[in-house]
Amino acid sequence: ETGVTQTPRHLVMGMTNKKSLKCEQHLGHNAMYWYKQSAKKPLELMFVYNFKEQTENNSVPSRFSPECPNSSHLFLHLHTLQPEDSALYLCASSKDGTAANIQYFGAGTRLSVL
Amino acid sequence: AQKITQTQPGMFVQEKEAVTLDCTYDTSDQSYGLFWYKQPSSGEMIFLIYQGSYDEQNATEGRYSLNFQKARKSANLVISASQLGDSAMYFCAMREHPPGGNNRLAFGKGNQVVVIP
Repeated sequence: ETGVTQTPRHLVMGMTNKKSLKCEQHLGHNAMYWYKQSAKKPLELMFVYNFKEQTENNSVPSRFSPECPNSSHLFLHLHTLQPEDSALYLCASSKDGTAANIQYFGAGTRLSVL
Repeated sequence: AQKITQTQPGMFVQEKEAVTLDCTYDTSDQSYGLFWYKQPSSGEMIFLIYQGSYDEQNATEGRYSLNFQKARKSANLVISASQLGDSAMYFCAMREHPPGGNNRLAFGKGNQVVVIP
């Protein structure tokens, strides 16, 4: 138990659906991250939020829309996804937004886009 | 260009034996950090150990130790006395600072380890 909880754990959606991924951390951290993990590829950083402000958008398509209402919660809103978006989406948090701090990860949401 | 290289194929390790996982990195920064994470089949990425570039001693954390060879730009993970629960993917990561950007972690592709009884 790392203190970072992601829901749902599994999600199947059609290309026209709208869904949201949720991440919650109980570590008192101020930075939160979204990563995408595809088969046989390194982990890809998508977004970084530091003290609720987005500090990094790694050229992510607009069909992925993050939201960070407070330092403990992070959402990833999904709409009109493509089959190539199927992957494991991991959320992480750290003390602040400097990568010098250890990032603690959730168990991920495994997304399948049909 | 890939910053973190993990090239070993999947490894089978006898229980109670030690295993070394290779990681080489590429950076021109003087100050950087190296991390190892474990990812079991459940999906969660679990932090194992950290080594700072200025740390003179190799990092150790329980059964995990990091063999840091700065001149060779390698940061190999050694797991001693393997246990069945060590079966997982292992990822090496490096803190990098891209030009004009924020500090971020760059991950390798991972090493698969299977511990057999």
